[in-house]
Amino acid sequence: EPEVTQTPSHQVTQMGQEVILRCVPISNHLYFYWYRQILGQKVEFLVSFYNNEISEKSEIFDDQFSVERPDGSNFTLKIRSTKLEDSAMYFCASSDPGVNTEAFFGQGTRLTVV
Amino acid sequence: GQNIDQPTEMTATEGAIVQINCTYQTSGFNGLFWYQQHAGEAPTFLSYNVLDGLEEKGRFSSFLSRSKGYSYLLLKELQMKDSASYLCAVRDKRGNQGGKLIFGQGTELSVKP
Repeated sequence: EPEVTQTPSHQVTQMGQEVILRCVPISNHLYFYWYRQILGQKVEFLVSFYNNEISEKSEIFDDQFSVERPDGSNFTLKIRSTKLEDSAMYFCASSDPGVNTEAFFGQGTRLTVV
Repeated sequence: GQNIDQPTEMTATEGAIVQINCTYQTSGFNGLFWYQQHAGEAPTFLSYNVLDGLEEKGRFSSFLSRSKGYSYLLLKELQMKDSASYLCAVRDKRGNQGGKLIFGQGTELSVKP
């Protein structure tokens, strides 16, 4: 069964450092998303991406965040200067175009900022 | 504003039936999803409703009333492996595709022997 894959599974970084989280969405999907989940809290939308551009972003997705689809298969989330409060599980998701379609989530990257 | 409410936790007995309720108030609506999430893992899709009524999928059923802003997830013949967090999520209205999901806090279900 096709799946969304994310690397790395865990990332520890020092405050102020840049991190890049990587995702390979399901190959025929056209919509890509990043969500995050701070420990013990709800899953929160960060950004959606379609047709090589951001289609929507949340208030969380400030200038420190950026997304890119550098080639035909990868989808990345960059955090330029990490803060302690960026520590969370980051989930990539993708979906088919169409009405009755669900988003498929990757296994997540646990980011710890120290 | 966007608000999705579900109980924080529930406990049920193996073999029983449990109903997890969700109420929502969102600026747009293009479908309601239920996901299952085991600790430290990704949400996995369970069911989807966009029209009023009941959708059945094996041991899982989900109901939607758009006029009441209400949904429930029904789990039958509970098994120990059903112990997990159950997430109610509303898809934002963005035409008919690609809308973001707005999640509730999740309901932590514990299944006891």
